[in-house]
Amino acid sequence: GQQVMQIPQYQHVQEGEDFTTYCNSSTTLSNIQWYKQRPGGHPVFLIQLVKSGEVKKQKRLTFQFGEAKKNSSLHITATQTTDVGTYFCADAGGTSYGKLTFGQGTILTVHP
Amino acid sequence: DGGITQSPKYLFRKEGQNVTLSCEQNLNHDAMYWYRQDPGQGLRLIYYSQIVNDFQKGDIAEGYSVSREKKESFPLTVTSAQKNPTAFYLCASYDWLSGANVLTFGAGSRLTVL
Repeated sequence: GQQVMQIPQYQHVQEGEDFTTYCNSSTTLSNIQWYKQRPGGHPVFLIQLVKSGEVKKQKRLTFQFGEAKKNSSLHITATQTTDVGTYFCADAGGTSYGKLTFGQGTILTVHP
Repeated sequence: DGGITQSPKYLFRKEGQNVTLSCEQNLNHDAMYWYRQDPGQGLRLIYYSQIVNDFQKGDIAEGYSVSREKKESFPLTVTSAQKNPTAFYLCASYDWLSGANVLTFGAGSRLTVL
């Protein structure tokens, strides 16, 4: 079945450093969603990308969707301790509403 | 406030026992989902229901059962047939009718088998 690979699995950064997580698929993604899960919490929706080559920004977060719609990335500029958590990408599928296929997640630790 | 309520937050079970995890939503969403989360494996879909009285198996349905008798409720039973039930279970709902393609998650239930 559809698999979404996410790397790296873990990332430790010093506060103020940048961070990037990558999401890759062997097949074309319909659209990609990103979620953040704080330690001990539940995933919370961040953003959805639909168009080839799409770039969206949320303050220090930049989300990109590849031209071939087979990869996506999340980049955080100048990390803060509030950025800690696990970041998941998910293939939102075509007509399979809500049947998201999640990547394994990247666990981000930010050292003050 | 609208949202999803999962209970209990923590649950301990002896081997051979069935347990039922509750999931209630007041978001008026038609579709509801159960995901299982294990360290390093992301979220995996157990069961989903797009409408009352109908549900479908997800990727890892073996050892689990669900019911959807009311729009607001989607309980998950972890049966004794589930070989490795210790995990974090997340319930979610989805507003597919409005086109808002976003999953809203509950706070989760952490099940530990002793």
